[in-house]
Amino acid sequence: RKEVEQDPGPFNVPEGATVAFNCTYSNSASQSFFWYRQDCRKEPKLLMSVYSSGNEDGRFTAQLNRASQYISLLIRDSKLSDSATYLCVVYSGGGADGLTFGKGTHLIIQP
Amino acid sequence: GAVVSQHPSWVICKSGTSVKIECRSLDFQATTMFWYRQFPKQSLMLMATSNEGSKATYEQGVEKDKFLINHASLTLSTLTVTSAHPEDSSFYICSARRPQGFYEQYFGPGTRLTVT
Repeated sequence: RKEVEQDPGPFNVPEGATVAFNCTYSNSASQSFFWYRQDCRKEPKLLMSVYSSGNEDGRFTAQLNRASQYISLLIRDSKLSDSATYLCVVYSGGGADGLTFGKGTHLIIQP
Repeated sequence: GAVVSQHPSWVICKSGTSVKIECRSLDFQATTMFWYRQFPKQSLMLMATSNEGSKATYEQGVEKDKFLINHASLTLSTLTVTSAHPEDSSFYICSARRPQGFYEQYFGPGTRLTVT
């Protein structure tokens, strides 16, 4: 089983729609969770951290469900500029200092 | 802010030569930096963790003698790809972690290496 799994998509969504995707992780001891955004041929950029209580930043809402080991990202009122690959990222600690990345979900916002 | 720069942004070199990539944290001190590699349509794969003042920790399957890492200061880590071969062609990205935080990392813009 892969450590961090995401539906690769692509998700084709009309502008203005609401879209959500999930990510599951296998290590129950994982400590920190993030959503990153990566544009084509660019570096990942931190979109938001995911807290146990969930968090919201403008049109973006992230939720964490530790019992089911999944993380979600909701984008409301989608814009053309939201088109990108969204990476689910998990930090598991325990001496593994790096982050574990999912392969990403490709989102295409259509006019 | 948390700005990380990387240089060069792209490089083309001949097989057998060595290439050095620099990663700098511009507005914070980073005791730990990370080097990743990403092949087309693949996820980022951690190559090594670079610790200031000590030896880097390499992930399984990454040759430490081929990918030399030096983290000589709190704001600079370098990755040298030695005796590069075409299969080393990839997108190399560094990141740095702030001393305080939830372990999020901030990425440099990446270096696209092409070995001919």
